Amino acid sequence: GAGVSQTPSNKVTEKGKYVELRCDPISGHTALYWYRQSLGQGPEFLIYFQGTGAADDSGLPNDRFFAVRPEGSVSTLKIQRTERGDSAVYLCASSPGANTGELFFGEGSRLTVL
Amino acid sequence: AQTVTQSQPEMSVQEAETVTLSCTYDTSENNYYLFWYKQPPSRQMILVIRQEAYKQQNATENRFSVNFQKAAKSFSLKISDSQLGDTAMYFCAFMIIQGAQKLVFGQGTRLTINP
Repeated sequence: GAGVSQTPSNKVTEKGKYVELRCDPISGHTALYWYRQSLGQGPEFLIYFQGTGAADDSGLPNDRFFAVRPEGSVSTLKIQRTERGDSAVYLCASSPGANTGELFFGEGSRLTVL
Repeated sequence: AQTVTQSQPEMSVQEAETVTLSCTYDTSENNYYLFWYKQPPSRQMILVIRQEAYKQQNATENRFSVNFQKAAKSFSLKISDSQLGDTAMYFCAFMIIQGAQKLVFGQGTRLTINP
């Protein structure tokens, strides 16, 4: 596609529920990133994929968070047993490859946990 | 660990004025990129300007320019002839060139351009 696409744009859920957030990167981009942006803060790194594998998941806050990219294109961020503190905007970015310094961001998914 | 600090939570100027946003960072690395991103209400991070640390010349993109002081670890953004469409959150960010290309962001500066 022309840009990074993220769905849903907004998601409201109840504490304890399971949530999936989807990212469709720019076609041909091998690198994919997830960031979390809490209200009034800068984005924080969660996980990085190079192709199908998670090359760096050091930013995932705990084992309730998991992400996959099974075919090296679309990625899904999965959050189990959601907590109110998970409320944030989840941003996805893609890059044509390693060491290019170019990340293209989507418009994010705003998650609200009641 | 790398850190990025933006000391101005909010700034406000009149249209057509020049405004400078401050950013400092801390790293022991020698090869890295620095960025300024703009985030309008649409939430999408839009790249404004990029600077490679090994380049001494300051990057410029039309009305946007940076003052990169490597020894002082300072990277300010100057917006000339500001326009109403420049109103947004601005984030300074750092990236080590090798490895995972993780961006480390500052806390942001909310810039308002007044008519």
